[in-house]
This record gives sequence, structure tokens and C-alpha cells, in this order.
Amino acid sequence: DTGVSQDPRHKITKRGQNVTFRCDPISEHNRLYWYRQTLGQGPEFLTYFQNEAQLEKSRLLSDRFSAERPKGSFSTLEIQRTEQGDSAMYLCASSLSGGKNIQYFGAGTRLSVL
Amino acid sequence: GESVGLHLPTLSVQEGDNSIINCAYSNSASDYFIWYKQESGKGPQFIIDIRSNMDKRQGQRVTVLLNKTVKHLSLQIAATQPGDSAVYFCAENIGELTGGGNKLTFGTGTQLKVEL
Repeated sequence: DTGVSQDPRHKITKRGQNVTFRCDPISEHNRLYWYRQTLGQGPEFLTYFQNEAQLEKSRLLSDRFSAERPKGSFSTLEIQRTEQGDSAMYLCASSLSGGKNIQYFGAGTRLSVL
Repeated sequence: GESVGLHLPTLSVQEGDNSIINCAYSNSASDYFIWYKQESGKGPQFIIDIRSNMDKRQGQRVTVLLNKTVKHLSLQIAATQPGDSAVYFCAENIGELTGGGNKLTFGTGTQLKVEL
């Protein structure tokens, strides 16, 4: 399967714990995006990378959130000191610059903070 | 603030009928639009896209219409099938025609239910 891969699919954690999610984009895609989706809503943009550079961050991305893409391939999203309000589906997408900005999404990581 | 929104939260159609899902957007600077389909427990799946320099684009069983005058987008699905049951989102992008294009802004979605 050469689509966007996310791991884990589900994560249950206790409030105050740190969690880290991983995203592997489509191999030739140089752009990678993180979105958050809550029940009944559309995805909301969090941040995006072009290669290893983080080019934009939403104001939704508080100081407890950090994303990295150290080698321009896979990316990690870490949430520190999780809160119940962080419970959501975290979606990763990738695209190829220079053409249409069609973003292909992974299946997401569902986070539940107890 | 500017946003993308949908007129109908739920649409029920009979199998074999045509479906029309509507979307209103308010950001006149948006120049690229995508329709996504999302099934339960899955990520959004690309269906069809359209740039603002077009007003119609067709795919397999799907057509997207763009009316920039009234800032309206629609997705038409011909001969709707049970497998089309899902939530459909429109998303907008700014900068596509100028070589940019990064974040997508999504509407809240329409649930399409296909009745047998």
C-alpha cells in the first residue's frame, strides 16, 4: 500500500500524559499536513511542512503541540500534558508541490483522553 | 470570519437517483476547491476538484459545478449507489493558481444516505 500511513490508529491516554503520533506520507510527496477533526465537523488545519521546513502553523496549535519532519519524510505530532479537549481524530495528509494541491489523507489516529 | 459551509446536513436519496450536495463559500480569494468523501472510521477520500477558472468538471459518475458569482459549489452524483453513503465535505484552497496552495479549509459536511 503506497498511501498515507498513520500510527497508531487509536490511542487512549490519561489526562496529563504525553502522546506522539507518526505519519508516513506518500513517498514522492514533499508536502505534509496535520489536521484535527472532531465528531460531526470537517478537518481543521493544524500545520504543514514542505520537505523538512514547517511553513505554517494554525493558532489551534498551542504550545503543548509540536510537529517535526526531520528528514523530510515521515512526521511526528506530539501533544504534551494532554487535556480532555484534545480528544479528536488527528489526520495526516500529503501532496506534491508544483501541481494541483490534491491532499491525500491517511486513516487518522483517534485520540481519547480520559 | 470567512468560512466554507454546507446548506444541508443530511441528504437521503433512493438508490439509482441522482444526488446533489451543495456548498457555499464566502472567501472570494479561494481559487481551488475539492470534494472529499469520508466513510466512518476512515480519512477523507479525494473525489473531484475544480479550479476557479472553470465552472464545471466531470469525473466518473460525479460532476462538480462552481458558480463564482454567488460563491456556490455543488457535487452531483449520478445513479447513486449504497456505496456512496458517507459524509461529503467541500474544501477550499487559496493560492492554487499562483503556485502556492497549502492548507485546506473544510466545511462541516453533508451526510448522504442511500435508501434501497
